[in-house]
Amino acid sequence: GAGVSQSPRYKVAKRGQDVALRCDPISGHVSLFWYQQALGQGPEFLTYFQNEAQLDKSGLPSDRFFAERPEGSVSTLKIQRTQQEDSAVYLCASSLVSGGGSGELFFGEGSRLTVL
Amino acid sequence: KNEVEQSPQNLTAQEGEFITINCSYSVGISALHWLQQHPGGGIVSLFMLSSGKKKHGRLIATINIQEKHSSLHITASHPRDSAVYICAVSKGGIWDMRFGAGTRLTVKP
Repeated sequence: GAGVSQSPRYKVAKRGQDVALRCDPISGHVSLFWYQQALGQGPEFLTYFQNEAQLDKSGLPSDRFFAERPEGSVSTLKIQRTQQEDSAVYLCASSLVSGGGSGELFFGEGSRLTVL
Repeated sequence: KNEVEQSPQNLTAQEGEFITINCSYSVGISALHWLQQHPGGGIVSLFMLSSGKKKHGRLIATINIQEKHSSLHITASHPRDSAVYICAVSKGGIWDMRFGAGTRLTVKP
């Protein structure tokens, strides 16, 4: 596709359920980032992939959060045993440049997760 | 204190007005980004700059590295400019971006 695609756009989960959020970056983009955006706040870094390698996962808030990008393209963010505080918009972004470079980030539309 | 501070938090303007959104940061940066987020979540990159000034249509972005300050100006504002505008800085590369909380702009017809 022409842009970064995320699915689902909206997800309602009951507390304790597991969820999986998908990101399909722009073809050929080396870097992929996941961010968490709470209501009224700017995005907060979760994790970074360079191709299939997860180089930084320091922003993941707990061990219930797991991300993968096994073939260096599509990425999945998994949240186990969801809690109410996990409710947020999860944004995926990709870039042609590696994370240490300076370049434009292309964002997806986000996946809005609501945990009841 | 957040590393990136934006002001104002909310801004309401009449169509046609000149708008300024400010961003101050407290860390050394390699680049500053202005982003636009429409309702529904999608974020679009407007500008990436490390010095001086850039212009794209009715949008102008300036940065003063010494003062650690940037401004985003919108001339002849229009209701379709209504969105959240986010300032973000790269401390090193894009890996290390820090985002402001955003300025919610509403332009009334």
